[in-house]
Amino acid sequence: DAKTTQPPSMDCAEGRAANLPCNHSTISGNEYVYWYRQIHSQGPQYIIHGLKNNETNEMASLIITEDRKSSTLILPHATLRDTAVYYCIVRVAYSGAGSYQLTFGKGTKLSVIP
Amino acid sequence: EAGVAQSPRYKIIEKRQSVAFWCNPISGHATLYWYQQILGQGPKLLIQFQNNGVVDDSQLPKDRFSAERLKGVDSTLKIQPAKLEDSAVYLCASSLGRGGASYNEQFFGPGTRLTVL
Repeated sequence: DAKTTQPPSMDCAEGRAANLPCNHSTISGNEYVYWYRQIHSQGPQYIIHGLKNNETNEMASLIITEDRKSSTLILPHATLRDTAVYYCIVRVAYSGAGSYQLTFGKGTKLSVIP
Repeated sequence: EAGVAQSPRYKIIEKRQSVAFWCNPISGHATLYWYQQILGQGPKLLIQFQNNGVVDDSQLPKDRFSAERLKGVDSTLKIQPAKLEDSAVYLCASSLGRGGASYNEQFFGPGTRLTVL
């Protein structure tokens, strides 16, 4: 699976959009980009995933560049409850036995400031 | 829908002692995962079950760690004997395990925080 690079930390003012970048320059054509987040003292929580088209759900938007070498997770109106570590993971969608495994890096610690 | 349940939430033991963690996945989820998360790092997969069979245990330190999933539902992770470096949060996750789908979301439990003194 392709490796990802994320900034270790970011701050965002409450109510503003939080834009979390992720570089995955070695991504392959069949690899998806997944985002999870982990709020303090909780297990990780799935946010969104995509292949090449931009995706949006009730939690966030995922913007993937045309060359797919980087992506941005957007939280449109950050709240204090969005303070968490955000993980960007790149992997194939399905690979038989052992599929759907997630390899977590250190992620980006997002602090939403009042 | 009930989430993934884990117990205990906290455990403190001395090195060389044994410890066991329990996980009850979401009903109907065929795939179950155990992760180890050391402070400041992302979770690391230890073992993956599909129903009651092991799919991948390549990162499980088998000299001291063991896991089982009887009847394809609940699972237990055991450490015997524990070392100082085993201090971590142990997370259990489950997913539908539906083959061929574009993605099977993993649902995580709250974890068990283990401190080895």
